[in-house]
Amino acid sequence: RKEVEQDPGPFNVPEGATVAFNCTYSNSASQSFFWYRQDCRKEPKLLMSVYSSGNEDGRFTAQLNRASQYISLLIRDSKLSDSATYLCVVGKGYNNNDMRFGAGTRLTVKP
Amino acid sequence: DAMVIQNPRYQVTQFGKPVTLSCSQTLNHNVMYWYQQKSSQAPKLLFHYYDKDFNNEADTPDNFQSRRPNTSFCFLDIRSPGLGDAAMYLCATSRVGIRDRGYEQYFGPGTRLTVT
Repeated sequence: RKEVEQDPGPFNVPEGATVAFNCTYSNSASQSFFWYRQDCRKEPKLLMSVYSSGNEDGRFTAQLNRASQYISLLIRDSKLSDSATYLCVVGKGYNNNDMRFGAGTRLTVKP
Repeated sequence: DAMVIQNPRYQVTQFGKPVTLSCSQTLNHNVMYWYQQKSSQAPKLLFHYYDKDFNNEADTPDNFQSRRPNTSFCFLDIRSPGLGDAAMYLCATSRVGIRDRGYEQYFGPGTRLTVT
């Protein structure tokens, strides 16, 4: 089983749609969770950290479910500019410097 | 203001010819990472440094080496590049994790390596 697994995608949605991505992780000791966004041929950039209580930043909401070992990202009112690959990143657990990436989910928002 | 700088942005090398990629940071972060990313794949962690403490991934080939002479700089050496090593190489930094959390990573723009 991979350490971090994401929805395979790709997701193709119209502008204004709501879209959700899930990411599961295998190490129950993991403590740190992040969503990054990566545009084509660019470096990953932090979208948001994921906190135990869940957190929201504008149109983006992140949730953590420790019991089921998954995190989610919800994007409301999708914009064309949201088109990118979304990467789930999970800290390995005992070593909080060791971060593991999921394979990423490609999102395309269409007019 | 550039925070994580990678040089060169594009590197072409010949099969078997050693190459060095460099990364520098102005964030004074303790942790520095090297990732390899191939087309349509996730970044794959090669190794990371916590200060001078080197942490190699078990599946990182011996062909890949790294040096961190000081807090600001980190180098990736590919001793004998093969065609399969063509990829984007990403450097990242972060604050050191503490018992109950790790911190976000800041990435450089990457070096795209071509092997001919």
